[in-house]
Amino acid sequence: DAKTTQPPSMDCAEGRAANLPCNHSTISGNEYVYWYRQIHSQGPQYIIHGLKNNETNEMASLIITEDRKSSTLILPHATLRDTAVYYCIVRVKGGSQGNLIFGKGTKLSVKP
Amino acid sequence: DTGVSQNPRHKITKRGQNVTFRCDPISEHNRLYWYRQTLGQGPEFLTYFQNEAQLEKSRLLSDRFSAERPKGSFSTLEIQRTEQGDSAMYLCASSLGQGGPYEQYFGPGTRLTVT
Repeated sequence: DAKTTQPPSMDCAEGRAANLPCNHSTISGNEYVYWYRQIHSQGPQYIIHGLKNNETNEMASLIITEDRKSSTLILPHATLRDTAVYYCIVRVKGGSQGNLIFGKGTKLSVKP
Repeated sequence: DTGVSQNPRHKITKRGQNVTFRCDPISEHNRLYWYRQTLGQGPEFLTYFQNEAQLEKSRLLSDRFSAERPKGSFSTLEIQRTEQGDSAMYLCASSLGQGGPYEQYFGPGTRLTVT
């Protein structure tokens, strides 16, 4: 089972920031938080990951709480093309573990 | 384009037939993964390879499923005696290997329909 909890759906107005929450209260010290998204009929796309510090890249920002039990993915200026299912995943660092465990994610609808 | 590619993109087959899918990973990636995704669900892990070695298999990978990566480059996933329950999107991903939580890059998937 997925080790994260996300709301099933969210709406966001075009041009506004989209803030997607994720709870991972059982996260271990060596587990990273990853975010992927899946646009309809495409494969998942990597967005960002972090361990404990906030991270930012050209796609999004990731805010992780100090206790690491929850995080928020921020799309600063959402566009219609950001409409997708967003998955929050926790994954151990390094080693031989391979797979990502996806939950059902959050379906983000960006509206004009 | 140097991303992950999958062929075919769509496959329709009759129950009981065998099917084979191919995945070509990003060239410098030595890890390759297969996932299955049914409607309304997130992808589910099937198996992964580090170079040519198959290191992990999910219990979802029944004995009708077999995956190979003979030279550590492309991979094939074969399903024998297909059943209607095998209808799904089959996704391939690749990443760099050990030493870090490297992100996985996914291909566009192969959509299988078993009639």
